[in-house]
Amino acid sequence: GAGVSQSPRYKVAKRGQDVALRCDPISGHVSLFWYQQALGQGPEFLTYFQNEAQLDKSGLPSDRFFAERPEGSVSTLKIQRTQQEDSAVYLCASSLDGYNSPLHFGNGTRLTVT
Amino acid sequence: AQSVTQPDIHITVSEGASLELRCNYSYGATPYLFWYVQSPGQGLQLLLKYFSGDTLVQGIKGFEAEFKRSQSSFNLRKPSVHWSDAAEYFCAVDVGGYGNKLVFGAGTILRVKS
Repeated sequence: GAGVSQSPRYKVAKRGQDVALRCDPISGHVSLFWYQQALGQGPEFLTYFQNEAQLDKSGLPSDRFFAERPEGSVSTLKIQRTQQEDSAVYLCASSLDGYNSPLHFGNGTRLTVT
Repeated sequence: AQSVTQPDIHITVSEGASLELRCNYSYGATPYLFWYVQSPGQGLQLLLKYFSGDTLVQGIKGFEAEFKRSQSSFNLRKPSVHWSDAAEYFCAVDVGGYGNKLVFGAGTILRVKS
């Protein structure tokens, strides 16, 4: 497919478990973003990659959140010791070059922490 | 701090009627502004964006928006709504200076009645 692909689509975790969320951006897209969307809210910026470099991680809410993009393509968002407040939809987006080129969003991973 | 306010949580319009969704922003510099649409279970799709120049911008699906600096507003309009326009709409402002680190409003849910 030509779009941004995220997996899993749904994830249920018990409080304290670690989770890993995957994002496959559009091929050739240099820039990759993660956003968190809580229920009834707009998305909130988490972090930004240009190729494999994480240029901005100012939105990560705590040191339990970690993102990587080791080869400049697929990215993984990892949440350690999940808490109930981590329940949200995690959206990944990619863009061709990050400089005013449009964002293409995936359908998101809905994380529920019980 | 930068912020986006969408005063209307829900709006219901009749099919064929005109639509205006309100958006006010708070940002110190010249803003880059966006409108996105999100259907249930889907990612966000860019409707239109304003970077500079003509303050009336045209987007996809017959939408337009007008940037009014004096009112700090960027309202979305459509002259005749179709049932397929039912979705949630998000206004956003870029705070990263590169067009993709976005602060979103809380969204407006549009319902279309036949």
